[in-house]
Amino acid sequence: GAGVSQSPSNKVTEKGKDVELRCDPISGHTALYWYRQSLGQGLEFLIYFQGNSAPDKSGLPSDRFSAERTGGSVSTLTIQRTQQEDSAVYLCASGADAWGELFFGEGSRLTVL
Amino acid sequence: AQSVTQLGSHVSVSEGALVLLRCNYSSSVPPYLFWYVQYPNQGLQLLLKYTSAATLVKGINGFEAEFKKSETSFHLTKPSAHMSDAAEYFCAVSSNFGNEKLTFGTGTRLTIIP
Repeated sequence: GAGVSQSPSNKVTEKGKDVELRCDPISGHTALYWYRQSLGQGLEFLIYFQGNSAPDKSGLPSDRFSAERTGGSVSTLTIQRTQQEDSAVYLCASGADAWGELFFGEGSRLTVL
Repeated sequence: AQSVTQLGSHVSVSEGALVLLRCNYSSSVPPYLFWYVQYPNQGLQLLLKYTSAATLVKGINGFEAEFKKSETSFHLTKPSAHMSDAAEYFCAVSSNFGNEKLTFGTGTRLTIIP
């Protein structure tokens, strides 16, 4: 499809395990964002990639969280040693430029038992 | 740095009544402003955007917003609420000056009363 694709759509894991969440942005989009949305909460910014610039990691809540974007396209968000408070929907969004409209994926729902 | 403040985390209106969702922004550079909507169990989608053209912006589903620089506001309105408007609404700000990233407000949940 032509939209932002995220996988897995649902992930249940045990506390202490590592998880990887994948985002396939719209082809050609230079901007890519990761957000976290907890139940009944707003959008928590995590990390932002723009072209070849160094990513803005200012929203990552701890050093257990990391993300990379390979070849300016696919991005992977990794959470190490998951905790129950990491349970949330992780949203990826891409845009044609840094300041314009973002297109969101359906999200990856993470449940940490 | 830029920011937006959405007044009222929950707003309830009767079906057919005016919808008014408030958003105030803070920016040291000319802003671009957006409203996104998230329907239950769905992803976010763009409702409308202001990018320094007309100050009154019309979006999908009968919504519109007016950019008021003097008030640093970008409130979202709809003349007559419909049951299908029940959703979470997010205001966001960015700029093409200095590569400001898109920053979201905390959201307003709109409930429509039959």
